[in-house]
Amino acid sequence: NAGVTQTPKFQVLKTGQSMTLQCAQDMNHEYMSWYRQDPGMGLRLIHYSVGAGITDQGEVPNGYNVSRSTTEDFPLRLLSAAPSQTSVYFCASSFDRNTGELFFGEGSRLTVL
Amino acid sequence: EDQVTQSPEALRLQEGESSSLNCSYTVSGLRGLFWYRQDPGKGPEFLFTLYSAGEEKEKERLKATLTKKESFLHITAPKPEDSATYLCAVQPRAYLMISDMRFGAGTRLTVKP
Repeated sequence: NAGVTQTPKFQVLKTGQSMTLQCAQDMNHEYMSWYRQDPGMGLRLIHYSVGAGITDQGEVPNGYNVSRSTTEDFPLRLLSAAPSQTSVYFCASSFDRNTGELFFGEGSRLTVL
Repeated sequence: EDQVTQSPEALRLQEGESSSLNCSYTVSGLRGLFWYRQDPGKGPEFLFTLYSAGEEKEKERLKATLTKKESFLHITAPKPEDSATYLCAVQPRAYLMISDMRFGAGTRLTVKP
């Protein structure tokens, strides 16, 4: 059982470039979300989705886009990368929008030069 | 404003030396408090959910407790494999979804053999 799969694990971008971080889950979870983790700070929510076709903003959404065309996939797009977006990104899913039991992927480390 | 503070930032123990990690929170009511374990280069892994003051949960050498203002993660006779960063998160009562969870910055635990 793969759980939550993120790709790529590492990526280096130049300022202004765009890219997509991929996230897929095979647990048929309705709720999916993207977090960023920075040193000395807690995980911060970027965007989330409560089901296919439904997305909403989290705490730090600026500079990121998401879409949810299927239950399994929830890609995160960086439109024009900035050095402030250098971070480790985690995708997470849950079977229910209310439970705090999240299943996380292994993360994608992004560096923006 | 909802806040979660974990202490200490880092803790070094000898194998077998019991100790506690602290998670202090300031929220407008509490719907749930969650503990996660994160290994280096990995995503967080869910450990416990606590809902009300006085509640306790145990798993192997770990025991989580909850009061009205803080939670403790007690580690009894730790082993080197318990080395990890432990994250605390709270879900305020005012909100209904896990998208409103707030994470602390974590405590990095190192257990030396």
